[in-house]
Amino acid sequence: AQKITQTQPGMFVQEKEAVTLDCTYDTSDQSYGLFWYKQPSSGEMIFLIYQGSYDEQNATEGRYSLNFQKARKSANLVISASQLGDSAMYFCAMRETGGYQKVTFGTGTKLQVIP
Amino acid sequence: DAGVIQSPRHEVTEMGQEVTLRCKPISGHNSLFWYRQTMMRGLELLIYFNNNVPIDDSGMPEDRFSAKMPNASFSTLKIQPSEPRDSAVYFCASSLLAGITDTQYFGPGTRLTVL
Repeated sequence: AQKITQTQPGMFVQEKEAVTLDCTYDTSDQSYGLFWYKQPSSGEMIFLIYQGSYDEQNATEGRYSLNFQKARKSANLVISASQLGDSAMYFCAMRETGGYQKVTFGTGTKLQVIP
Repeated sequence: DAGVIQSPRHEVTEMGQEVTLRCKPISGHNSLFWYRQTMMRGLELLIYFNNNVPIDDSGMPEDRFSAKMPNASFSTLKIQPSEPRDSAVYFCASSLLAGITDTQYFGPGTRLTVL
């Protein structure tokens, strides 16, 4: 089974609208971390937001928030007030306590913001 | 503060040649990761070091690939001999520690083309 599943290969959103990028994960660990990264066309990987499995509140960083539903094993990224510069690939990732604590990445979602 | 530094940014070489990719992690970070990104396979972890010691190299494709970390501020990934299927973007990332809460910060990547 995939450890990280991003079911939306591509999405469009109108500028200034909010958008949700889906991410589900699979782990038997009780303690783990979830991350979102942005990869614009220039290629660099930019860290956006982190959620710990024991965090009771959803993480927020500016226009980014993480909708964490532990029972459903989902960690969706919400981008509010989309901007043209948000057009990029977005990767969800998980770090588990087992397996040398290495990070597993999803296949990514390509977001395009329409003016 | 300087982020993760990688060199070269682009490398074009011919099949059979040796290729060396270089990485300088963020100062003070104890963990270093090498990833490979391709369209077909996404982002794959090749190897990771903790305190300069290789911890998990199960992602290294074959004996043609080798990685070293002689000190806390420098790592190399070497491919010898290179093959066209090695063409990819190679990322180096570092994190403060190897715990589940520790965010990995990525370098800009090296785009390798093997002709």
